[in-house]
Amino acid sequence: AQSVTQPDIHITVSEGASLELRCNYSYGATPYLFWYVQSPGQGLQLLLKYFSGDTLVQGIKGFEAEFKRSQSSFNLRKPSVHWSDAAEYFCAVGNSGGYQKVTFGTGTKLQVIP
Amino acid sequence: SQTIHQWPATLVQPVGSPLSLECTVEGTSNPNLYWYRQAAGRGLQLLFYSVGIGQISSEVPQNLSASRPQDRQFILSSKKLLLSDSGFYLCAWSGGGRTEAFFGQGTRLTVV
Repeated sequence: AQSVTQPDIHITVSEGASLELRCNYSYGATPYLFWYVQSPGQGLQLLLKYFSGDTLVQGIKGFEAEFKRSQSSFNLRKPSVHWSDAAEYFCAVGNSGGYQKVTFGTGTKLQVIP
Repeated sequence: SQTIHQWPATLVQPVGSPLSLECTVEGTSNPNLYWYRQAAGRGLQLLFYSVGIGQISSEVPQNLSASRPQDRQFILSSKKLLLSDSGFYLCAWSGGGRTEAFFGQGTRLTVV
């Protein structure tokens, strides 16, 4: 069965610093991978997705993620964090069987300090 | 463009009372529809999904049920709420040839 691990429950970074949120997945074939962001009390917004092609994926709000098959990872990065990036971030893995097969990680809460 | 509406935003209900949460999608036809529950530190748990009118699949046994009376309407219900039903409920849709899902703004349900 597929699974996703986000090892960091909570991360604090200073505004302007770089950010990397870790995501490791378990899946037998080439997965569909997603990163979503959730502001407090809100729904989830898609940041980026990967299912084939270039392993470095660009998303919205200046985020990018790199698919590394050898490490089963799909880490999210941003070169310079803004205070508005404070939110909870979810990594998810799925397959071509439909979105109902997507499994979410438990999330990483990002705090940005001035 | 497609939009998804979910209401109410917050709800406080007594134990044993019924529940009805509604979700509608606009701007697309025959979407796949989903109900998720989010608990702190546990990520998102898929409760139900639907690939068409009247077609409901349940992912976990529970006190809740779902219905899809119209193509773009998805309803989450309960006849008698339990304290453990408290949580943040999210509706989502996918389809139109896209691989990702789009989420509503969520409903914070507190059962007291």
